[in-house]
Amino acid sequence: AQSVTQPDIHITVSEGASLELRCNYSYGATPYLFWYVQSPGQGLQLLLKYFSGDTLVQGIKGFEAEFKRSQSSFNLRKPSVHWSDAAEYFCAVGAGSNDYKLSFGAGTTVTVRA
Amino acid sequence: DTEVTQTPKHLVMGMTNKKSLKCEQHMGHRAMYWYKQKAKKPPELMFVYSYEKLSINESVPSRFSPECPNSSLLNLHLHALQPEDSALYLCASSQDLGAGRWETQYFGPGTRLLVL
Repeated sequence: AQSVTQPDIHITVSEGASLELRCNYSYGATPYLFWYVQSPGQGLQLLLKYFSGDTLVQGIKGFEAEFKRSQSSFNLRKPSVHWSDAAEYFCAVGAGSNDYKLSFGAGTTVTVRA
Repeated sequence: DTEVTQTPKHLVMGMTNKKSLKCEQHMGHRAMYWYKQKAKKPPELMFVYSYEKLSINESVPSRFSPECPNSSLLNLHLHALQPEDSALYLCASSQDLGAGRWETQYFGPGTRLLVL
């Protein structure tokens, strides 16, 4: 079965600084990869996804992620963080024959300081 | 438009109450999902509906009863809940299911449930 690891539980970043959130997965083949963001008290919003093709994926809100097969990683980046980016970020993997059950990482909480 | 709506936003209920959560999507999606999310944890899948039929029940207690009246609506009926059932309940939908490929799941804003 696949698994997802988000090594950073909490990241604090200054407004205007760059942000990188790490995601590593364990699966034998290329999985379907997603990043979701959850603002406090809200549902999950899809930031971006990777199914195939170009390994650098652009998403909403100025986010991008890069799939690296050799490192089993799908890290999320943003060049300049805004205060509104403070939220919980979940990496999720879809893999295997069960095409309904996403495997979520534990999440990374991002705090933005002025 | 990738909007999934959920009502109510907040719900407080006693352990003897019966209440229902509602979810609606108008994207023509044929798969709908219920998730439960505890604070500071990722969502946990509860149920999956495909073409209005229950496809997956992730061993959820019978005090949670899902219903799919039509392709746009998904309900979750609650009865005799326990305080530990307090959580954010998220609905999601995707284009399809069981077609041998992954479809993106789009989530609603959730219903925050408190069981007293």
